[in-house]
Amino acid sequence: DTAVSQTPKYLVTQMGNDKSIKCEQNLGHDTMYWYKQDSKKFLKIMFSYNNKELIINETVPNRFSPKSPDKAHLNLHINSLELGDSAVYFCASSLRGGPYEQYFGPGTRLTVT
Amino acid sequence: GQSLEQPSEVTAVEGAIVQINCTYQTSGFYGLSWYQQHDGGAPTFLSYNALDGLEETGRFSSFLSRSDSYGYLLLQELQMKDSASYFCAVRDRGGANNLFFGTGTRLTVIP
Repeated sequence: DTAVSQTPKYLVTQMGNDKSIKCEQNLGHDTMYWYKQDSKKFLKIMFSYNNKELIINETVPNRFSPKSPDKAHLNLHINSLELGDSAVYFCASSLRGGPYEQYFGPGTRLTVT
Repeated sequence: GQSLEQPSEVTAVEGAIVQINCTYQTSGFYGLSWYQQHDGGAPTFLSYNALDGLEETGRFSSFLSRSDSYGYLLLQELQMKDSASYFCAVRDRGGANNLFFGTGTRLTVIP
């Protein structure tokens, strides 16, 4: 059983398109996250979300938006894709009150052409 | 803002001990985590230190000094499978658990 799953694993699209990446966790966690890992392997937090609070990293363009239909899902929607959006996107989850271990999904490699 | 510094690369011999350092500058600090990431894989949790001192989990240990804004990951009895990237990450606020990651250290274990 996969703890944190993401779809698709690979996504190739053209500039200007809108795309979504889905994330699901079956760990019963109350907080979910999106991270971006660039070509230099730098991991950067984009969002954290639970049913009470959305925290957005101020450097994330507003073309990116998280959407959570329920506690087990946090999807990432990206509008007007740009070349610089090419990266690996990881979803993660944890319990807000601890322990502070985050479980990561397998990642989605997004390539914008 | 947040800034975390790690060595970019470390090479060590199988069976040896290696220490990966992390220094940080953050606006808030609630704890330091370490994650391992193999090529093509996802980050996986190794340890979390909220208080000063050494935490040991099997072959891996992690140390934190809050006064020095410094921590390290110690890997003992190195195995070839330990070749991976290692990231330190700071939890900078109490409510949410957002992690701010360091630049990562590429560990290569050689025979």
